[in-house]
Amino acid sequence: DTGVSQDPRHKITKRGQNVTFRCDPISEHNRLYWYRQTLGQGPEFLTYFQNEAQLEKSRLLSDRFSAERPKGSFSTLEIQRTEQGDSAMYLCASSFGRSGNTIYFGEGSWLTVV
Amino acid sequence: DQQVKQNSPSLSVQEGRISILNCDYTNSMFDYFLWYKKYPAEGPTFLISISSIKDKNEDGRFTVFLNKSAKHLSLHIVPSQPGDSAVYFCAAKGYSGGGADGLTFGKGTHLIIQP
Repeated sequence: DTGVSQDPRHKITKRGQNVTFRCDPISEHNRLYWYRQTLGQGPEFLTYFQNEAQLEKSRLLSDRFSAERPKGSFSTLEIQRTEQGDSAMYLCASSFGRSGNTIYFGEGSWLTVV
Repeated sequence: DQQVKQNSPSLSVQEGRISILNCDYTNSMFDYFLWYKKYPAEGPTFLISISSIKDKNEDGRFTVFLNKSAKHLSLHIVPSQPGDSAVYFCAAKGYSGGGADGLTFGKGTHLIIQP
């Protein structure tokens, strides 16, 4: 499978714990995005990387959230001191520059904070 | 302030007929529009896109129309099939005020194809 892959697909955690999600983009894609989706809403942009540089962060990305993309390949999204409001699907996506402008999504990582 | 609006939360269409999903946007800086299809517990799947310099793009059963003056686009699916039942998201790309290079999504329309 050469699509965007995310791990884990599901995570249940207790409030206050830290969680980390991993994303492996399509191999030749240099841009990587993180989105969050809650029930009844469309995906909301969180942040994006071009290669290893984090170029943009949404105001939705509080200081409890941190994303990295070492070496410009896979990326991790860590949420510290999780809150119940963090429960959502976290989507990773990738694209190749602006060529075609198409962003391809992974299957998402469901987070439930109890 | 929602910059991409899908005003119909759901739409029911008979199998074989045409499905028309609508989307309105407010930001004239958007220069590229995409439609995604999403099944429950899965990520969005890209369907079709259109550049702001065009007014129509067709791919098989899917056609997207763009009316820039009205800031409106629509997705036509002909003929509708049971497997088309899903949530459809309209998304726009371009400078959206936040400097984001990503997509701004609408809230989605749940399309139900009835036999």
